[in-house]
Amino acid sequence: GIQVEQSPPDLILQEGANSTLRCNFSDSVNNLQWFHQNPWGQLINLFYIPSGTKQNGRLSATTVATERYSLLYISSSQTTDSGVYFCASENQAGTALIFGKGTTLSVSS
Amino acid sequence: DTGVSQNPRHKITKRGQNVTFRCDPISEHNRLYWYRQTLGQGPEFLTYFQNEAQLEKSRLLSDRFSAERPKGSFSTLEIQRTEQGDSAMYLCASSLGAGSDTQYFGPGTRLTVL
Repeated sequence: GIQVEQSPPDLILQEGANSTLRCNFSDSVNNLQWFHQNPWGQLINLFYIPSGTKQNGRLSATTVATERYSLLYISSSQTTDSGVYFCASENQAGTALIFGKGTTLSVSS
Repeated sequence: DTGVSQNPRHKITKRGQNVTFRCDPISEHNRLYWYRQTLGQGPEFLTYFQNEAQLEKSRLLSDRFSAERPKGSFSTLEIQRTEQGDSAMYLCASSLGAGSDTQYFGPGTRLTVL
């Protein structure tokens, strides 16, 4: 089945810094999504991005499907950006999301 | 509609007891999914419904677990004879079901088995 690997596992930033989170996947991607899990456990949708580039405010994401990776960019980070960021790809049957282990981001003021 | 809701948010039980969780998906969504998340890991797929039909079950879903989605609306996940290893966050998600589409997650039910 599809394997999803995320890096780095942990990231510590000062407020205002920029960061790039990476997601590698082992097979052709379907329905690639990025999520932010807040400290209360809620998974918040950031991007649905099987290919190409999307931007939403300070966040943007790029997926290069032919090279099997996706990147999440966070610019001018804020303390509220702290939490765990997951990428997930739909399995081949289209019935489930396969998640990576996440990147834990800590932004300090 | 305010999104996917789950109840209860927290459940503490003793080993050997049965527990049941409820998920109410976004109203027009045909697909409903259950996931389990343990500390330091990403969510892991448990099972999937298309309307009222349970179409796929992960091998993580042992015979102590059962899920239903009567009438294709809300869903319940029951765990019988709970074990300490069942302690986890149980997440529900829903999607429209029109091909590849976005899954929206509920806030989860955190289960602690003593």
